[in-house]
Amino acid sequence: DVKVTQSSRYLVKRTGEKVFLECVQDMDHENMFWYRQDPGLGLRLIYFSYDVKMKEKGDIPEGYSVSREKKERFSLILESASTNQTSMYLCASTRTSGGRGELFFGEGSRLTVL
Amino acid sequence: GDSVTQMEGPVTLSEEAFLTINCTYTATGYPSLFWYVQYPGEGLQLLLKATKADDKGSNKGFEATYRKETTSFHLEKGSVQVSDSAVYFCALFTGQAGTALIFGKGTTLSVSS
Repeated sequence: DVKVTQSSRYLVKRTGEKVFLECVQDMDHENMFWYRQDPGLGLRLIYFSYDVKMKEKGDIPEGYSVSREKKERFSLILESASTNQTSMYLCASTRTSGGRGELFFGEGSRLTVL
Repeated sequence: GDSVTQMEGPVTLSEEAFLTINCTYTATGYPSLFWYVQYPGEGLQLLLKATKADDKGSNKGFEATYRKETTSFHLEKGSVQVSDSAVYFCALFTGQAGTALIFGKGTTLSVSS
């Protein structure tokens, strides 16, 4: 069964802390994505990566960075967490050749910043 | 730029009622269109898709037809069940290099017995 696994379902952090959200996929997909989901705003793309060590900014990259050192792993980093980054974070992956719109999602990481 | 507009929710229905969730899009070229569903406490999963005009995607009793003339991809189901309660997202993908899937804001469906 194909799988996208996010390391933490729930996190509580304090303002100013550095936060790492990890995502691993076992489908050998080239493309990986980080979205943020907020009520009334839907899903907004933060960053995506189409290859190892490659990254592209999405619609709302400010305050975030990413790392893709291995094909299966895509990390989202909040350098200095702020309360407006309290949200649900969703990781997804897809292959490049055919079916690029067919994303496979993890279950999400709900982050609360106090 | 490219965008997706969905009807705002929440949509509240009784079991066995007919469902329509409207979705329209703006895009250059010929995008592929998708409906994703998010059940409570879970991530999103693909419900159905259509890759060209007049294609009909279907799955689990849901259907949507890619209408290029009206730039629409409305989701329908003839008889909803309580288990269909979820958030539904319409999305498009243009396939252009360096782009990602574009989602609508989502429509919450609540079905009561």
